[in-house]
Amino acid sequence: GAGVSQSPSNKVTEKGKDVELRCDPISGHTALYWYRQSLGQGLEFLIYFQGNSAPDKSGLPSDRFSAERTGGSVSTLTIQRTQQEDSAVYLCASSLAFLAPQDEQYFGPGTRLTVT
Amino acid sequence: AQSVTQLGSHVSVSEGALVLLRCNYSSSVPPYLFWYVQYPNQGLQLLLKYTSAATLVKGINGFEAEFKKSETSFHLTKPSAHMSDAAEYFCAVMGSYNFNKFYFGSGTKLNVKP
Repeated sequence: GAGVSQSPSNKVTEKGKDVELRCDPISGHTALYWYRQSLGQGLEFLIYFQGNSAPDKSGLPSDRFSAERTGGSVSTLTIQRTQQEDSAVYLCASSLAFLAPQDEQYFGPGTRLTVT
Repeated sequence: AQSVTQLGSHVSVSEGALVLLRCNYSSSVPPYLFWYVQYPNQGLQLLLKYTSAATLVKGINGFEAEFKKSETSFHLTKPSAHMSDAAEYFCAVMGSYNFNKFYFGSGTKLNVKP
């Protein structure tokens, strides 16, 4: 596709269930980023991938969160045993390379996660 | 830890007036700095970034920001506000000692009055 896509667009889940969020970056983009935006915490950076590798996972909020990227393309963010405080909009972005000066970062529409 | 302070959660300007959104960061080492914009009911968009090249960075839609190391600031400006500039703006810094994490400010909502 022409842009970054994320699925599902909306997800309502019960507390304690696992959820998987998907991000399809723009073809050829080696860098992929995950953020979340919530009323309580504002905008937070979670993790980034350079290729299939995530250099630092310490931005993930807890050990219930994990992320992977395969084939240098699709990435999934998994939240196990969801809690109400996980409710947020999860945003994905991609760019050609990580922080290249002339590089542009493109965002997906986000996945709105609601934990009931 | 890094921190980013955006002065003023809400800023209101008249159409045609100067836009100045303030951002200060805590760091002893020149970091990488970013401004993002989020239009109402839309996704996030990168406006501009500073990555240790020119200290005056030009972005999209006529915005620019100047990195001032002595003031640890990266204020966003636009000479003449347009109604379409009404949005929420976020400043972010990439960790000086850890280039693998971003830290965001709390955001500034810009209102443009006709």
